[in-house]
Amino acid sequence: GAGVSQSPSNKVTEKGKDVELRCDPISGHTALYWYRQSLGQGLEFLIYFQGNSAPDKSGLPSDRFSAERTGGSVSTLTIQRTQQEDSAVYLCASSLEPASSYEQYFGPGTRLTVT
Amino acid sequence: AQTVTQSQPEMSVQEAETVTLSCTYDTSESDYYLFWYKQPPSRQMILVIRQEAYKQQNATENRFSVNFQKAAKSFSLKISDSQLGDAAMYFCAYRPIANSKLTFGKGITLSVRP
Repeated sequence: GAGVSQSPSNKVTEKGKDVELRCDPISGHTALYWYRQSLGQGLEFLIYFQGNSAPDKSGLPSDRFSAERTGGSVSTLTIQRTQQEDSAVYLCASSLEPASSYEQYFGPGTRLTVT
Repeated sequence: AQTVTQSQPEMSVQEAETVTLSCTYDTSESDYYLFWYKQPPSRQMILVIRQEAYKQQNATENRFSVNFQKAAKSFSLKISDSQLGDAAMYFCAYRPIANSKLTFGKGITLSVRP
């Protein structure tokens, strides 16, 4: 079956612009996660969704970052007024259920470059 | 707060040989999961092996096995009969039982010499 997909694969944007990153989880997976992978910080958790609600947003680095999930499926991570330190690979993952033994399946990520 | 430490940034192994990647972690929880993920240049994280902390037996998946030392909070990955396709970045990760958030180490780049 299809895995987790993310779009775009790469995004170059100018400082100060807004960007939207999209994640399509595996069909039927109720839990969805966003992580950020950057050179200086390694892999960091950003937010996770159970259905359409986000019980844990503790990893979002600032109020410029927001995410939503609609229909229990597609999720969008939005970064407003991008800064150079936002340059990173943004990874999405999904699992059948949260807080269980079920594996998190990762997408290929979106590489964001802020110039 | 939980932390995961991978102190070796890079390692190299000869094809067909065995290599061990180290990982330590810190937690006050008694039950949790530990993982090793592989990230090839395609960027897609692939689960290599998983260990439940309540299980004393070390997990094994084909050529991959772990040495889980709960008291020492150590979780190393052994790759036997290394293959060229094993070359990638490897991440150790921790997750509490009641929480969905994965905490990753900084990763180690493994190269395999033909």
